[in-house]
Amino acid sequence: AQTVTQSQPEMSVQEAETVTLSCTYDTSESDYYLFWYKQPPSRQMILVIRQEAYKQQNATENRFSVNFQKAAKSFSLKISDSQLGDAAMYFCAYETSGSRLTFGEGTQLTVNP
Amino acid sequence: EAGVTQSPTHLIKTRGQQATLRCSPISGHTSVYWYQQALGLGLQFLLWYDEGEERNRGNFPPRFSGRQFPNYSSELNVNALELEDSALYLCASSFWGTGEGSPLHFGNGTRLTVT
Repeated sequence: AQTVTQSQPEMSVQEAETVTLSCTYDTSESDYYLFWYKQPPSRQMILVIRQEAYKQQNATENRFSVNFQKAAKSFSLKISDSQLGDAAMYFCAYETSGSRLTFGEGTQLTVNP
Repeated sequence: EAGVTQSPTHLIKTRGQQATLRCSPISGHTSVYWYQQALGLGLQFLLWYDEGEERNRGNFPPRFSGRQFPNYSSELNVNALELEDSALYLCASSFWGTGEGSPLHFGNGTRLTVT
């Protein structure tokens, strides 16, 4: 079974600075998808970024970028120029053909003014 | 475009009762997923419906069940409620089925409290 591990239950960052959230996963598949979702206090899960495993280029979405290391099965999220609105629970997730989306335990990010 | 809508927002039940949670997917989405998020835990997959049929279920007892209607809306039923069923229940929809890399669009959830 696939597992997703987020080893940092909590992280904090100063406004305008950069923070990196870690995620590792376990799979025997070669083709899969990885996601980062955020869940603010409003409870709604929002897609932050998506990575296809067959693409070597790291995905970026404005201030959000990933460091995808396929051999190491690592998928970290970097948030640049952190803003107060980035404060949320961040979930790493994995999906492959024939399987459902599997989430990690989450990392609670606090942004300090 | 309206997002995924869930009702009710909050639900309070007593142990042994039944709870019914509802979800309307984004227009055009045929797949609906249910997840349980207990306090302090991640999201646990419950059920996946597509085109009116149950496609997959997570490691939950049979008292968790549901269905998908012809308009693709979905219902989650929890029978014989137990205290540990207290959680946020999230519904999500996608255009394609799971495994295709199609991002999930989530609703705001139903907070179920069992007393």
